[in-house]
Amino acid sequence: GQNIDQPTEMTATEGAIVQINCTYQTSGFNGLFWYQQHAGEAPTFLSYNVLDGLEEKGRFSSFLSRSKGYSYLLLKELQMKDSASYLCAVVDSNYQLIWGAGTKLIIKP
Amino acid sequence: IAGITQAPTSQILAAGRRMTLRCTQDMRHNAMYWYRQDLGLGLRLIHYSNTAGTTGKGEVPDGYSVSRANTDDFPLTLASAVPSQTSVYFCASRDRGGNTGELFFGEGSRLTVL
Repeated sequence: GQNIDQPTEMTATEGAIVQINCTYQTSGFNGLFWYQQHAGEAPTFLSYNVLDGLEEKGRFSSFLSRSKGYSYLLLKELQMKDSASYLCAVVDSNYQLIWGAGTKLIIKP
Repeated sequence: IAGITQAPTSQILAAGRRMTLRCTQDMRHNAMYWYRQDLGLGLRLIHYSNTAGTTGKGEVPDGYSVSRANTDDFPLTLASAVPSQTSVYFCASRDRGGNTGELFFGEGSRLTVL
């Protein structure tokens, strides 16, 4: 079967750095997405990785290792507004998205 | 502003009633999706359509039907609602041939079945 694993919940301090991990086992791989979802709102796009390595976009970076079936989202200089759920999704061989259950990130002052 | 629109945003429904959730996008995306999101379970795919005129079943299709008569519209119908269909429903679209093929989401429809 296909499987995406993420921690259920993480807590971090304002101004700090946090890394949210995602491991996957899917039938084929055609890219990996990270989305942010604030409570009561729709998910919004953060990043897309299809090649190995680190993609940096402002305070957020996303890393991919296809050989290890592993990705992480790195959030720097955390702000209170970063409190949200972070969803990892893999595009499989049929170009369908397989979603993880999401990681709820709690930021404390 | 271009995007994806869902209606209604919220609805309370008696069990056994028929309900259609509407979804319209103006981005000319070829693929559209319906997800339900329940606490602790993440996004689960109900039905999808890779292009106008075609549809497919997702992970949890039972009790739901869809149609894709044109590129823009992708309604989701609950023929006879049951309490287990209480959830938040998200419609989404993407350009499967695009650079990243990122998924764009509607604002969601919160459905309560009593």
